Amino acid sequence: RKEVEQDPGPFNVPEGATVAFNCTYSNSASQSFFWYRQDCRKEPKLLMSVYSSGNEDGRFTAQLNRASQYISLLIRDSKLSDSATYLCVVVGGNNRLAFGKGNQVVVIP
Amino acid sequence: GAGVSQSPRYKVAKRGQDVALRCDPISGHVSLFWYQQALGQGPEFLTYFQNEAQLDKSGLPSDRFFAERPEGSVSTLKIQRTQQEDSAVYLCASSPREPHNEQFFGPGTRLTVL
Repeated sequence: RKEVEQDPGPFNVPEGATVAFNCTYSNSASQSFFWYRQDCRKEPKLLMSVYSSGNEDGRFTAQLNRASQYISLLIRDSKLSDSATYLCVVVGGNNRLAFGKGNQVVVIP
Repeated sequence: GAGVSQSPRYKVAKRGQDVALRCDPISGHVSLFWYQQALGQGPEFLTYFQNEAQLDKSGLPSDRFFAERPEGSVSTLKIQRTQQEDSAVYLCASSPREPHNEQFFGPGTRLTVL
């Protein structure tokens, strides 16, 4: 089983709509969680950290569910510029970042 | 300021050829990582340096892969006797210190092995 599992999609979202997706992780000892954004043929960039109490940054909300070992990302009022792949990242005990394969979001005008 | 840079951006190699990929991290960043990203996949960890010390190379797929960072700044990833399955984007990332809460990625080198 992979360390981090994501449904790659694509998630086709009408502009202005809300989209949400999860990723699951296998290592219950994981302590740190992040969402990275990767545009087509570009490098990943940190979008936001995921705290135990949740984290909100503008239209983006991230949640952590330790009991079920998943993290989620919700995007409200989707913009065309939100089209990208969102990578779920989990930091394991050895301080290595484990990436999921990403959720591809396509915002449609 | 300058971000992480990588060269070459694109490399086409014939099967069996050796290649060397270069990474210039952000100045002052202690930690440097190499990842391999195949098409449609997330980045997969290859190796990690703290300054010049290679602390973790458990992700290197075979002994054909070798990485070094002799002076604790620039790093080179070398692949010997390239195979078609080595075709991928090789990403370098740097981080100022542990814990590696944010890693700053370079644009990657797209390697195609024919």
